[in-house]
Amino acid sequence: EAGVTQSPTHLIKTRGQQATLRCSPISGHTSVYWYQQALGLGLQFLLWYDEGEERNRGNFPPRFSGRQFPNYSSELNVNALELEDSALYLCASSGIGQGILEPQHFGDGTRLSIL
Amino acid sequence: RKEVEQDPGPFNVPEGATVAFNCTYSNSASQSFFWYRQDCRKEPKLLMSVYSSGNEDGRFTAQLNRASQYISLLIRDSKLSDSATYLCVVNDMNRDDKIIFGKGTRLHILP
Repeated sequence: EAGVTQSPTHLIKTRGQQATLRCSPISGHTSVYWYQQALGLGLQFLLWYDEGEERNRGNFPPRFSGRQFPNYSSELNVNALELEDSALYLCASSGIGQGILEPQHFGDGTRLSIL
Repeated sequence: RKEVEQDPGPFNVPEGATVAFNCTYSNSASQSFFWYRQDCRKEPKLLMSVYSSGNEDGRFTAQLNRASQYISLLIRDSKLSDSATYLCVVNDMNRDDKIIFGKGTRLHILP
């Protein structure tokens, strides 16, 4: 069974540009989560999509946005990139069973570097 | 009080020893709890879910204490390969669907 796949592996941008990160969940999973892991800050929750709808978002500015497609894959878009956006962006997927969140399985991440 | 709190460590433990660490959470309505392991520059990997009755998987035991609002992870007969950062995850599906990761506890197993 294929795991969560993310692309690209590395992305280099300059300040002010826009970045698009992609994620394909494990087959059968309807929920996709995005996290930012910056050095020294731990894993910060960004966005949660389920069945095409945004379920929740973390404490990030509106220039962080995303969407989930009918096939449950997802995009994370970051506009007006700033230096502090440099981080590893992790995508995870899970199912939802009986109202209880199932464990999340993570992709390898996209390392975004802002020059 | 932070929503999910872990001792960042590092815990330096000799090989073969038993080590335990806790994770406290602030929302008493939290329902799902997990332990993840993250190796340096790698993505987190699920170690185990934490059930109300406690659960064991080989050398690893996870427990939930709802009264005191913490979960624990016990590692017996520690191996060098157990060196990693251990993250706890707390979720409450009923209250604004928050998923919160602790910042992790670093564990170094010493030969």
